[in-house]
Amino acid sequence: DTGVSQDPRHKITKRGQNVTFRCDPISEHNRLYWYRQTLGQGPEFLTYFQNEAQLEKSRLLSDRFSAERPKGSFSTLEIQRTEQGDSAMYLCASTSSGDSIQYFGAGTRLSVL
Amino acid sequence: QQQVKQSPQSLIVQKGGIPIINCAYENTAFDYFPWYQQFPGKGPALLIAIRPDVSEKKEGRFTISFNKSAKQFSLHIMDSQPGDSATYFCAASRSYNQGGKLIFGQGTELSVKP
Repeated sequence: DTGVSQDPRHKITKRGQNVTFRCDPISEHNRLYWYRQTLGQGPEFLTYFQNEAQLEKSRLLSDRFSAERPKGSFSTLEIQRTEQGDSAMYLCASTSSGDSIQYFGAGTRLSVL
Repeated sequence: QQQVKQSPQSLIVQKGGIPIINCAYENTAFDYFPWYQQFPGKGPALLIAIRPDVSEKKEGRFTISFNKSAKQFSLHIMDSQPGDSATYFCAASRSYNQGGKLIFGQGTELSVKP
């Protein structure tokens, strides 16, 4: 499978714990996006990378959130001190240079108890 | 100005019917308008997309109609099948060079009855 891969698929954590998600984009896609989707809503943009540079962050991305793409390949999204309001599906998408088409992974569903 | 408004919220049609989902946007800087299909527990999958220089695009049973002056676009699904039952999202974005982040509508839950 050469699509966008996300790990883990599901994460259950207790309030106050830190969690980290991983996204592996389609090979050679230089741009990677993170979105968050709550139940019954469309995905909302969080941040995106071009190669290893983080070029934009949404105001949804509070100080407790951090994302990295250290070598311009896979990316991680960390949430510190999780809150119940962080419960959502976290989606990753990638695209090749100059292309508008974004290919999404299956997402990581986070449940904060 | 960043919003994309989608309607209806849910839609039930009989097999063979033609469901129509509508979206409206405000930001005239948007230049890419995709539709995504999402099944429960899965990520969104691109169905079809259009740019504002054309008024209609058809791929298989899926057609996008685009009205630039009204800032509206819609998805038509011809000869709908029970397997088309899913949630559909419209989206809009600025060009790749302007970031390309997708702004999604609220989604339409489609149910196609046998």
